Amino acid sequence: SQELEQSPQSLIVQEGKNLTINCTSSKTLYGLYWYKQKYGEGLIFLMMLQKGGEEKSHEKITAKLDEKKQQSSLHITASQPSHAGIYLCGAGGYGQNFVFGPGTRLSVLP
Amino acid sequence: DAGVIQSPRHEVTEMGQEVTLRCKPISGHDYLFWYRQTMMRGLELLIYFNNNVPIDDSGMPEDRFSAKMPNASFSTLKIQPSEPRDSAVYFCASSFGTGNTIYFGEGSWLTVV
Repeated sequence: SQELEQSPQSLIVQEGKNLTINCTSSKTLYGLYWYKQKYGEGLIFLMMLQKGGEEKSHEKITAKLDEKKQQSSLHITASQPSHAGIYLCGAGGYGQNFVFGPGTRLSVLP
Repeated sequence: DAGVIQSPRHEVTEMGQEVTLRCKPISGHDYLFWYRQTMMRGLELLIYFNNNVPIDDSGMPEDRFSAKMPNASFSTLKIQPSEPRDSAVYFCASSFGTGNTIYFGEGSWLTVV
């Protein structure tokens, strides 16, 4: 079965700094999803990547899928306190085959 | 456009009591998922339905857990009897078709004391 690892596990940055979160898969990715979770809330869908080399942006968040389709990165430019939360990547097939990474906890200090 | 709606948002109950969590998926979605999230195990898929039919319940931890979907707009997850180790956040999610984005509700925070 597919397994996803994320790094770093947690991250503390000063407001305005850039940061990158990585998601690495044990198998080729055929659809990589990024979600954000704020404490006490559900998962909010951010972006989905499918093609090798694909890059998508939403506001100050950019996600990329590498050419080999085994790693994705999430980059936040000029971080703000509103970016704080847990970022999870998800991928796989359907049902039990769809897995989530363990998450990266981001704190942004004002 | 309403998202996935879950209730209750928070529940504190005593061990041995029955707990019922409710979910209304996004209208038109034909897949419904129940997940459980804990610090130790992260997000785990408990069961999912397609067109109101349970497809895979292999993630349901024990017979104390049961889920139903009587119609396309409503599902329940029941725990009877509840135990302290059931304390977790339970998420309902839905999607349209296979391989498409799964949208999550805000979760039901369950504490069993």
